Amino acid sequence: EAQVTQNPRYLITVTGKKLTVTCSQNMNHEYMSWYRQDPGLGLRQIYYSMNVEVTDKGDVPEGYKVSRKEKRNFPLILESPSPNQTSLYFCASSLGRGLSYEQYFGPGTRLTVT
Amino acid sequence: AQTVTQSQPEMSVQEAETVTLSCTYDTSESNYYLFWYKQPPSRQMILVIRQEAYKQQNATENRFSVNFQKAAKSFSLKISDSQLGDTAMYFCASGGLYGGATNKLIFGTGTLLAVQP
Repeated sequence: EAQVTQNPRYLITVTGKKLTVTCSQNMNHEYMSWYRQDPGLGLRQIYYSMNVEVTDKGDVPEGYKVSRKEKRNFPLILESPSPNQTSLYFCASSLGRGLSYEQYFGPGTRLTVT
Repeated sequence: AQTVTQSQPEMSVQEAETVTLSCTYDTSESNYYLFWYKQPPSRQMILVIRQEAYKQQNATENRFSVNFQKAAKSFSLKISDSQLGDTAMYFCASGGLYGGATNKLIFGTGTLLAVQP
């Protein structure tokens, strides 16, 4: 089944403890992206990647890192999480560049930083 | 800046009736796309319908249709014969080739739709 998977689905952590949220797609998609969803703000792009080893900042990159060493994986790294990073996170992928390609979203990761 | 505005935070509709969700947008892109996504309680983001800006004909997908008014920058979603399974948060989104082709979607703040039995 074609899908985008994220792990973990739920995570509660403490301020400053490094964490990684994994994202994997099995559709051989070139383009991958991370969004965060906050009440009253909708979804905002954090980082995106157009291919292996090619990543760039989205609208809200502060406090996050990403890497794209393999085409299928695009982990989101929080080196020192803070409470303002409590949010719902989505990974998305699409076959290519340009929005003629549908973006497929993962199931979301609910992160709470205390 | 590219913006998407949904002015209805919450709406309610009776089962089998029709409801329209509003969305306005602003973009400087000459070619762009508009989308409606559904987010049920499971939190999964589901593409409902999309419209390519250069196409004048309004998109339809079964019970879902849009009213795309390009000059007014308006993109409303009509749900006919509402069903209980339509209860969800609905996000309007726009996207285009934003300098560098980030594939970025700009989302509105969402409209929470409740379908009442």
